[in-house]
Amino acid sequence: GNSVTQMEGPVTLSEEAFLTINCTYTATGYPSLFWYVQYPGEGLQLLLKATKADDKGSNKGFEATYRKETTSFHLEKGSVQVSDSAVYFCALSDRSNTNAGKSTFGDGTTLTVKP
Amino acid sequence: DAGITQSPRHKVTETGTPVTLRCHQTENHRYMYWYRQDPGHGLRLIHYSYGVKDTDKGEVSDGYSVSRSKTEDFLLTLESATSSQTSVYFCAISKGTSGSNEQFFGPGTRLTVL
Repeated sequence: GNSVTQMEGPVTLSEEAFLTINCTYTATGYPSLFWYVQYPGEGLQLLLKATKADDKGSNKGFEATYRKETTSFHLEKGSVQVSDSAVYFCALSDRSNTNAGKSTFGDGTTLTVKP
Repeated sequence: DAGITQSPRHKVTETGTPVTLRCHQTENHRYMYWYRQDPGHGLRLIHYSYGVKDTDKGEVSDGYSVSRSKTEDFLLTLESATSSQTSVYFCAISKGTSGSNEQFFGPGTRLTVL
């Protein structure tokens, strides 16, 4: 079956520090990969995605590259801000017709950025 | 924004009572999902739907049932609530187009079972 393993948290950084949150996956097919972000009291929202090997997803200064050879999709940001404090989820979706659009999520990594 | 609302947003109930949570979407997407979110467990899929009257179980379906009589509404019912069902429940939709299958989430319902 499919699974996603992401770096355990919590992660605490100072403002302007470099961020990496590791994510590796196991999939039976050729999945699409996602990072979602959840701010306090809200639902998850898509941060970025990649649909094929070597694709780089990017949004709001965050980036992640689909690495098929290492089955990884690590999230990075060069300079974090206090407003980036949130929970980050790595996820995959098998694009087979029988999947009904389902996704598999990692357990989430809590990021706190201190001024 | 996929126009997803959930009701109620907060609910406190007692053990043994039935509870129904509602998810409503405004864009008539085919796929809808119910998740629960608990500390240390991330998101776990309870049930999902791939069309009107078409539903299937997720990984944590025991104690839950669902119904989808209209495209826009997906109901989650706890037949007899237990304290272990205290959680935050999220509804999500997938637009189901070929490609990436990203999901769009509602704001969540915080359920407390006393």
